Amino acid sequence: DAGITQSPRHKVTETGTPVTLRCHQTENHRYMYWYRQDPGHGLRLIHYSYGVKDTDKGEVSDGYSVSRSKTEDFLLTLESATSSQTSVYFCAISDARAYGYTFGSGTRLTVV
Amino acid sequence: AQSVTQLDSQVPVFEEAPVELRCNYSSSVSVYLFWYVQYPNQGLQLLLKYLSGSTLVKSINGFEAEFNKSQTSFHLRKPSVHISDTAEYFCAVSETGTGNQFYFGTGTSLTVIP
Repeated sequence: DAGITQSPRHKVTETGTPVTLRCHQTENHRYMYWYRQDPGHGLRLIHYSYGVKDTDKGEVSDGYSVSRSKTEDFLLTLESATSSQTSVYFCAISDARAYGYTFGSGTRLTVV
Repeated sequence: AQSVTQLDSQVPVFEEAPVELRCNYSSSVSVYLFWYVQYPNQGLQLLLKYLSGSTLVKSINGFEAEFNKSQTSFHLRKPSVHISDTAEYFCAVSETGTGNQFYFGTGTSLTVIP
């Protein structure tokens, strides 16, 4: 989507290695989110940010950490990747509840 | 915390037939309601939303959804579907005091059969 970019789009990594996914926005939105999407589970919130250096955990935060040092970048790190973290990861941004979310195109991560 | 239920995980329907995708949420407090659509290998796109006012909201491609406060529902309907409507549909709810957090249902996969 215009204004929000995720990188990489695809990644294959080995169990036990650290992995960082990047979300970059050009909309200057206050809120940023990381979700994972898995069959049968829909979208589950991992972490979110409500401002620079202000982050909080979502419902499936174990094994993940985030950082937001600039308004435009929100990084998701898998500290030691496991096969259960194989998933599609989506970043979303929002400026206010009434506008909903704008989603990135997703990162497909495979942990082997 | 809010709970969002999409009762049908898969809905097959013939082309030009009507369809209804169901969504129920748990809280009766002030909410904003959304439907998102996800086409294969893409991110989610906003389809339509209810914030206040008229309980019937419409999208530009013929979908509509009706907010029913007493039944805490926000079902999505289309009177005549097209092949291009084949996608995954997600219902989402945002309530006051949640720090701009949205709660998503597990999704309904709509397959339009020629």
